[in-house]
Amino acid sequence: NAGVTQTPKFRVLKTGQSMTLLCAQDMNHEYMYWYRQDPGMGLRLIHYSVGEGTTAKGEVPDGYNVSRLKKQNFLLGLESAAPSQTSVYFCASSVDRAGNQPQHFGDGTRLSIL
Amino acid sequence: DAKTTQPNSMESNEEEPVHLPCNHSTISGTDYIHWYRQLPSQGPEYVIHGLTSNVNNRMASLAIAEDRKSSTLILHRATLRDAAVYYCILKKETSGSRLTFGEGTQLTVNP
Repeated sequence: NAGVTQTPKFRVLKTGQSMTLLCAQDMNHEYMYWYRQDPGMGLRLIHYSVGEGTTAKGEVPDGYNVSRLKKQNFLLGLESAAPSQTSVYFCASSVDRAGNQPQHFGDGTRLSIL
Repeated sequence: DAKTTQPNSMESNEEEPVHLPCNHSTISGTDYIHWYRQLPSQGPEYVIHGLTSNVNNRMASLAIAEDRKSSTLILHRATLRDAAVYYCILKKETSGSRLTFGEGTQLTVNP
């Protein structure tokens, strides 16, 4: 059981380049999330999705776009990477929005913008 | 969002119990108390959650104060693998149902 899988695991970009981070889950979860974690800090929500074809903004959405074309996949895009986007990106999924439902996380994508 | 307060760091010895405290004095009646931990270079891992009653699972126990303004995560016998940052989070049943992470407690386990 793979759970939540993120690709790539590491990436180095130059300022202004674009890229897409892929998150895949095999648990048939409705909800998916993208977080970023900066050194010494907790995770902050970028965007989330409550089901296939839906997306919504989180706490820090500027500079990112997302798509949820298939239920099992949630893509995070950087159109024009900036050094401030250097971070570790985590994807998570959950069954639904209920308060008693945990979120399941991937192992992260470590992204450096030069 | 209701906030939680945790000590920045705690230290324990291997095979001893560990009690990790969390204060959440502004908790609302429908907030669930969740605990996650994050091992080095890994994503957060769900540990346990509760609403009003104490909870036990294979990983840990959660003790919730009667007024729900504080809780304690209990690791019954700490191992070196338990060294991690532990996050206490209040989870609401909202449209996004996001998790709001604070800085957590860095647990060091001494051999």
